[in-house]
Amino acid sequence: GNSVTQMEGPVTLSEEAFLTINCTYTATGYPSLFWYVQYPGEGLQLLLKATKADDKGSNKGFEATYRKETTSFHLEKGSVQVSDSAVYFCALKKTNTGNQFYFGTGTSLTVIP
Amino acid sequence: NAGVTQTPKFQVLKTGQSMTLQCAQDMNHNSMYWYRQDPGMGLRLIYYSASEGTTDKGEVPNGYNVSRLNKREFSLRLESAAPSQTSVYFCASTEGRSSYNEQFFGPGTRLTVL
Repeated sequence: GNSVTQMEGPVTLSEEAFLTINCTYTATGYPSLFWYVQYPGEGLQLLLKATKADDKGSNKGFEATYRKETTSFHLEKGSVQVSDSAVYFCALKKTNTGNQFYFGTGTSLTVIP
Repeated sequence: NAGVTQTPKFQVLKTGQSMTLQCAQDMNHNSMYWYRQDPGMGLRLIYYSASEGTTDKGEVPNGYNVSRLNKREFSLRLESAAPSQTSVYFCASTEGRSSYNEQFFGPGTRLTVL
């Protein structure tokens, strides 16, 4: 079936550190892949997406590359800020499953000054 | 353009009471979803509606019912609330005809069942 596995948290980093949050997926065919961010007390917001193999999604300094050979979509940022503290969710979508999205369990990031 | 709106924002119920969570979107999206979010569990799909007039069970449908009232609105009903239904509930929508389209989320309803 379809599923997403992302690294366990919580993750704590100092400001300006490099961030990687791992995400791997299981799916047949060619899903689209997404990263969402959830700030405290809010709903999820789309951070970036990639719709085919080797695509790189990017936004606000975050990047992720769709790697079909390793079924991965790792999130990276070169220099995190305190304002990046949030929970990050990896997700996939396939249209032939009734437009269902499959989410990972989320990774909590705290950035300290 | 309000996006996805949910009411109420907060609710406290007693065991056995019923309530309906309302969700509306103004983006002309075809598909709508209800999730619950619990600590350490991520998002779990309760029900979804791939298009107007259809609804399907997700991962955790027991104790819930839904109604796709029209293209804009998708409500979630708890007939007899239980403490295990204490959670944060999110409604989401997507255009639906392409796998490229992302989901848009509402701000959530924080429900406590005593």
